[in-house]
Amino acid sequence: AQRVTQPEKLLSVFKGAPVELKCNYSYSGSPELFWYVQYSRQRLQLLLRHISRESIKGFTADLNKGETSFHLKKPFAQEEDSAMYYCALLPYNQGGKLIFGQGTELSVKP
Amino acid sequence: DAGVIQSPRHEVTEMGQEVTLRCKPISGHNSLFWYRQTMMRGLELLIYFNNNVPIDDSGMPEDRFSAKMPNASFSTLKIQPSEPRDSAVYFCASSLGQSTGELFFGEGSRLTVL
Repeated sequence: AQRVTQPEKLLSVFKGAPVELKCNYSYSGSPELFWYVQYSRQRLQLLLRHISRESIKGFTADLNKGETSFHLKKPFAQEEDSAMYYCALLPYNQGGKLIFGQGTELSVKP
Repeated sequence: DAGVIQSPRHEVTEMGQEVTLRCKPISGHNSLFWYRQTMMRGLELLIYFNNNVPIDDSGMPEDRFSAKMPNASFSTLKIQPSEPRDSAVYFCASSLGQSTGELFFGEGSRLTVL
């Protein structure tokens, strides 16, 4: 089965604290994984993709095939990071569709 | 480019009425996706098109839902008859190519069925 699981619906941290948004996947092949973000009153947009191994807005995510995880991390959260975050899986050769997790709302308090 | 354009942004209707949601993808994009967002289930893929052809509609909840893409610049999602459990935000997204993983989303259509 192809599935993405984000176990936390809401994650609340204080400004400056480390953040880790959890994502686990179920996929038989070699996965391509992504994080999308939706800020308040803005469109859902791509944050980062695992193949790029990039850091965007201070966020990084490492693919751990052994644990089938792709957790999103940031060492020091900022208030502007408050948003809805979705982890997504791109199955191979299925027309480009993305399978999303249920999303985690990140709230960064001052 | 104005990005993916969806209409209406908000729709309130009564149970049993027909609802039509519209989407204009980004010019040049050849894949189009319809997703539904709810608190309980998150983002669910309903149907997607490649080059105007429906590829996978297995996510469409039931026969009350139908989607068309008559040309490269327009798609509709229709619900007939609508039910309260259809209340959700419906997103349209488009992408260039089939395997990029980068979808460009519209602002969504918030549907409330009373």
